Amino acid sequence: EAQVTQNPRYLITVTGKKLTVTCSQNMNHEYMSWYRQDPGLGLRQIYYSMNVEVTDKGDVPEGYKVSRKEKRNFPLILESPSPNQTSLYFCASSSDRDTYNEQFFGPGTRLTVL
Amino acid sequence: SQQGEEDPQALSIQEGENATMNCSYKTSINNLQWYRQNSGRGLVHLILIRSNEREKHSGRLRVTLDTSKKSSSLLITASRAADTASYFCANGGGSNYKLTFGKGTLLTVNP
Repeated sequence: EAQVTQNPRYLITVTGKKLTVTCSQNMNHEYMSWYRQDPGLGLRQIYYSMNVEVTDKGDVPEGYKVSRKEKRNFPLILESPSPNQTSLYFCASSSDRDTYNEQFFGPGTRLTVL
Repeated sequence: SQQGEEDPQALSIQEGENATMNCSYKTSINNLQWYRQNSGRGLVHLILIRSNEREKHSGRLRVTLDTSKKSSSLLITASRAADTASYFCANGGGSNYKLTFGKGTLLTVNP
């Protein structure tokens, strides 16, 4: 089944404790992206990747890191999480970037930073 | 900044009625996409309409696009309780190949 998976689905942590949210897709997509969703603000892009070893900042990259060592994986790293990073996070992937095709979203990771 | 704006923010209808949601955007687009999100879940792609198209159908969904007014509408006909969800429009065409989402319309279909 074609899908985007994220782990963990739920995470409660404390300020400053490094964490990684994994994202994996099995559709051989070149393009992957991370979004965060907050009430009243909608979805905002954090980082994106056009292909392996190619990543760039989105609209709200502060406090986050990403890497793209393999085509299928795009982990989101919070080196020192803070309470304002409490949010619902979505990973998405897409193929055929030249025509801005539909994006496939993971199920989401609900992160709470205390 | 969010460039898509859905209207209304919330809509409550009875099963069997039609639901219409509108979306306005500010910049030029390559396409406009609509997504559905059930509470707290991932987004699911519904339909994509390209900038050179004016209307598109998919099952009970009908999407229109008016590039002169920078607006789109999503019509769900003969709604069902299972259609209860948030609906987002997304502007496909910005830099970074990203989608720029609106804040969504919360649709409630009462049985």
